[in-house]
Amino acid sequence: AQTVTQSQPEMSVQEAETVTLSCTYDTSESDYYLFWYKQPPSRQMILVIRQEAYKQQNATENRFSVNFQKAAKSFSLKISDSQLGDAAMYFCAYRRLGADGLTFGKGTHLIIQP
Amino acid sequence: DTGVSQDPRHKITKRGQNVTFRCDPISEHNRLYWYRQTLGQGPEFLTYFQNEAQLEKSRLLSDRFSAERPKGSFSTLEIQRTEQGDSAMYLCASSSVDGRAFYEQYFGPGTRLTVT
Repeated sequence: AQTVTQSQPEMSVQEAETVTLSCTYDTSESDYYLFWYKQPPSRQMILVIRQEAYKQQNATENRFSVNFQKAAKSFSLKISDSQLGDAAMYFCAYRRLGADGLTFGKGTHLIIQP
Repeated sequence: DTGVSQDPRHKITKRGQNVTFRCDPISEHNRLYWYRQTLGQGPEFLTYFQNEAQLEKSRLLSDRFSAERPKGSFSTLEIQRTEQGDSAMYLCASSSVDGRAFYEQYFGPGTRLTVT
């Protein structure tokens, strides 16, 4: 079974600084998708960024970028120029190609210090 | 496009009672998913539908749980004889699968269930 591990229960960063959230996963599959989701307090989960395992190039979405290391099964999220609105729970998730259910990590609570 | 909606947002029930939750997906989304999220954990996949057909069920979905999507639009999740361990946030998501390899799941706000 696939597992996703987020080893940082909580991270704190100063506004405008850069922060990196860690994620590792375990799978025997070669084709899969990885995601970072953001869950603001009392609001619904939204997709931040995704990475297809067959793509070597790291995904980027504005201030959000990933460092995908397939051999190490590592998928970290970098948030540049942190903003107060980035404060939320961040979940790393995995989906096997051909499957539909997402496997999530336990999440990292990101605090933005003004 | 009004997003995924769920009703009720909160439900408090006594142990042993039955509860039913409703999810309305984004219109024309053909796939609908149910997840459960307990405190301090990430969401756990329960089941999903392609139109009205239930295609996959997690082993987490015990016999007390049943989900339906009768006309391929809204879905209901029923929990019979609730237990305190059922206390959680129940999340619904939907997606539009049209042959592409990737499709995003859009999540609803969730129904928070408290079993006393």
